[in-house]
Amino acid sequence: ETGVTQTPRHLVMGMTNKKSLKCEQHLGHNAMYWYKQSAKKPLELMFVYSLEERVENNSVPSRFSPECPNSSHLFLHLHTLQPEDSALYLCASSLLAGVGEQYFGPGTRLTVT
Amino acid sequence: TQLLEQSPQFLSIQEGENLTVYCNSSSVFSSLQWYRQEPGEGPVLLVTVVTGGEVKKLKRLTFQFGDARKDSSLHITAAQPGDTGLYLCAGRDDKIIFGKGTRLHILP
Repeated sequence: ETGVTQTPRHLVMGMTNKKSLKCEQHLGHNAMYWYKQSAKKPLELMFVYSLEERVENNSVPSRFSPECPNSSHLFLHLHTLQPEDSALYLCASSLLAGVGEQYFGPGTRLTVT
Repeated sequence: TQLLEQSPQFLSIQEGENLTVYCNSSSVFSSLQWYRQEPGEGPVLLVTVVTGGEVKKLKRLTFQFGDARKDSSLHITAAQPGDTGLYLCAGRDDKIIFGKGTRLHILP
């Protein structure tokens, strides 16, 4: 595997479910990011991790819970989501937080029913 | 609140034509990036511009950063179907913010 991978690619969940999104980067980067991409809004930065430490949390509801066990893996744990949370969730990584090129994964298309 | 406005939102043109899309803001950025996103994929970085007035070329794509570092344009010469995609600009200062994008469709 190369670059940034995300699983699953598609997810349908009910509002009472608990699920997790997984991201893995094979680039040796130290920073990882979660973004939300909705149909009618700009790409929104949700969380930033640098060397497994959360360095940015942009007023994201607590029903989204990130986890970064090491610099190669990033998770987004989901619980009691709302239909308006349906979106494409993109993971990205960069060598250092906030600097240089970000490499994006293909995203997880989430639908909340 | 910093905003990046991209125009047009949608553009559909014939193969071989030229086009320009725009990214405008009232805020100053230390740098600005352009990404292209194809269906089912994440955005891919095309270019980063840093200096006011800077022009960068990537084959048939020409990127310009405004003198005041508040706006940018992307010009495509002789568009091809492979240029189809969502073009996003992103301004960087202490944070990164994205525009909504221009969805470009090149008709063969």
